[in-house]
Amino acid sequence: ETGVTQSPTHLIKTRGQQVTLRCSSQSGHNTVSWYQQALGQGPQFIFQYYREEENGRGNFPPRFSGLQFPNYSSELNVNALELDDSALYLCASSPRTGSSGANVLTFGAGSRLTVL
Amino acid sequence: AQSVTQLGSHVSVSEGALVLLRCNYSSSVPPYLFWYVQYPNQGLQLLLKYTSAATLVKGINGFEAEFKKSETSFHLTKPSAHMSDAAEYFCAVSQSGGYNKLIFGAGTRLAVHP
Repeated sequence: ETGVTQSPTHLIKTRGQQVTLRCSSQSGHNTVSWYQQALGQGPQFIFQYYREEENGRGNFPPRFSGLQFPNYSSELNVNALELDDSALYLCASSPRTGSSGANVLTFGAGSRLTVL
Repeated sequence: AQSVTQLGSHVSVSEGALVLLRCNYSSSVPPYLFWYVQYPNQGLQLLLKYTSAATLVKGINGFEAEFKKSETSFHLTKPSAHMSDAAEYFCAVSQSGGYNKLIFGAGTRLAVHP
């Protein structure tokens, strides 16, 4: 089975620009979550998508937005980039079953964003 | 609100020595607990998870963790460290009945020296 793939792996942007990160979920998974991992910190939950709708959101401003497509792949969009947005962005997919909290997330290798 | 505290941002052990990485959690409802490992330039890989079955959980690569409700702890151990265990380790909590929102600790970087 294929795992979670993310693109691009690295990118550099300047303040005020916009960025789109892409994620293909693992085969058989219908839920996608995005996390931001700043240097030296643990990942922080941005939001989750299920059935093409946002299904939960962490403490991130509206300039962080996302999409999920019918094939369960997903995009993370960040507008008006700030220096503090520099981080590793991790995508994770999971199956949606009854006890969602116990489901294991399968993570991609991440997209490292540098904002200058 | 749920939270996770990992004591010790850096832990160094000798090859063959016991590995002990500490994790304490805070949760008002029965939690699900996870340990993930992150190797350089890679994503997170699940080591093990606790979902209210056995309190002693065995994972991959010889790791195990014990859920202690009275101490609100979920420490990760391995009897004998190997050089390949050098990585960053994250403890995480999610709550039963909720969606898959994981709350991670800040991580512990494990160094293994010969």
